[in-house]
Amino acid sequence: GEDVEQSLFLSVREGDSSVINCTYTDSSSTYLYWYKQEPGAGLQLLTYIFSNMDMKQDQRLTVLLNKKDKHLSLRIADTQTGDSAIYFCAESIRNAGNMLTFGGGTRLMVKP
Amino acid sequence: DAGITQSPRHKVTETGTPVTLRCHQTENHRYMYWYRQDPGHGLRLIHYSYGVKDTDKGEVSDGYSVSRSKTEDFLLTLESATSSQTSVYFCAISSGGSTEAFFGQGTRLTVV
Repeated sequence: GEDVEQSLFLSVREGDSSVINCTYTDSSSTYLYWYKQEPGAGLQLLTYIFSNMDMKQDQRLTVLLNKKDKHLSLRIADTQTGDSAIYFCAESIRNAGNMLTFGGGTRLMVKP
Repeated sequence: DAGITQSPRHKVTETGTPVTLRCHQTENHRYMYWYRQDPGHGLRLIHYSYGVKDTDKGEVSDGYSVSRSKTEDFLLTLESATSSQTSVYFCAISSGGSTEAFFGQGTRLTVV
């Protein structure tokens, strides 16, 4: 079965880098995702990485994947107050389209 | 935003009553999903559909049923609501070939 774990909370100062970590257990995952949820809103896809990659960079976002340790991280450079939200990692196994297993979410608080 | 609408957005109902939540999409995506979000658990899959009249159970399907009589609509029914079904429910859609699942804005259901 799948199990995705995240730390609950992260606090950083504006302008610093944020690193949100995630571990997963299913080695057959094909894609791993980071979603952002702002208060009262749905989930917004931030970025994703295919399981045969070890890094992906997209503007201020850097995703690192250590497949051996089943560890995924999201680094946000120059964190802004608008980045305050809950961040979910999720894994997808290649069946039923894009069925996702989510972690519990990490609440990022950015202090001015 | 992807063309996905959930209704109602908020509902309060009494224990033992039936409740139906609706997810409507205008993207003609094959796959549709119902998740529930609870603190500390992230999102957990209730049921999903891979085509008209084709549905299957997810991780937390007990107490829920679904129907998909046309591509654009996916209904989630609580036959007899219980307090443990108080949650925020999210619908998602995916084309299957894509790497992204698009989420609705959520329905907050309170069972009293």
